[in-house]
Amino acid sequence: QITLKESGPTLVKPTQTLTLTCTFSGFSLSTSGVGVGWIRQPPGKALEWLALIYWNDDKRYSPSLKSRLTITKDTSKNQVVLTMTNMDPVDTATYYCAHPRESMYYFDYWGQGTLVTVSS
Amino acid sequence: AIRMTQSPSSFSASTGDRVTITCRASQGISSYLAWYQQKPGKAPKLLIYAASTLQSGVPSRFSGSGSGTDFTLTISCLQSEDFATYYCQQYYSYPPLTFGGGTKVEIK
Repeated sequence: QITLKESGPTLVKPTQTLTLTCTFSGFSLSTSGVGVGWIRQPPGKALEWLALIYWNDDKRYSPSLKSRLTITKDTSKNQVVLTMTNMDPVDTATYYCAHPRESMYYFDYWGQGTLVTVSS
Repeated sequence: AIRMTQSPSSFSASTGDRVTITCRASQGISSYLAWYQQKPGKAPKLLIYAASTLQSGVPSRFSGSGSGTDFTLTISCLQSEDFATYYCQQYYSYPPLTFGGGTKVEIK
């Protein structure tokens, strides 16, 4: 059974760096074809894909946010970490981590999400 | 980036209705399209992938069709638990993966 859970701060100040951790179970990021992605959703708005990391450490980012994002994995801990620099109030959103179907790019399992508010 | 446009953005329907939601891609995406259902305060749930393949465990009243640029999600007989927001997502060209703006199905 695949599960994912996001953790991190609920409140960050403008210009600060956000660090979110996705802890997962039921699969391994050392297995070929496996990845973990991040998607966010501002309150009342649509979903926005942010980043994906794969078993081979291949990383893909949203072009519009690439300069601010870093995604890393810790295979031994079954964790994926997303950092986003220079946070702004418009980055207020629920951040989800999700498991893409093996070797595909749609998401079959999602974490519950974590709401991050950016405010001074 | 490929833009995904959903229509309508919201509508009201009654239990038992047949409803159709449309998703249009700004360029051809073959059948690389997924549909998700999202209820308030919950994570999205995968309904359909490859434009028309039902995810395991999803009721057969949900169906998807289309290829190229035009896609539809149909619910054949709307149930109370189907009132939610639905999103399409293309995975033909990435990065970036892109989602539609969502279609909210409300109770009439």
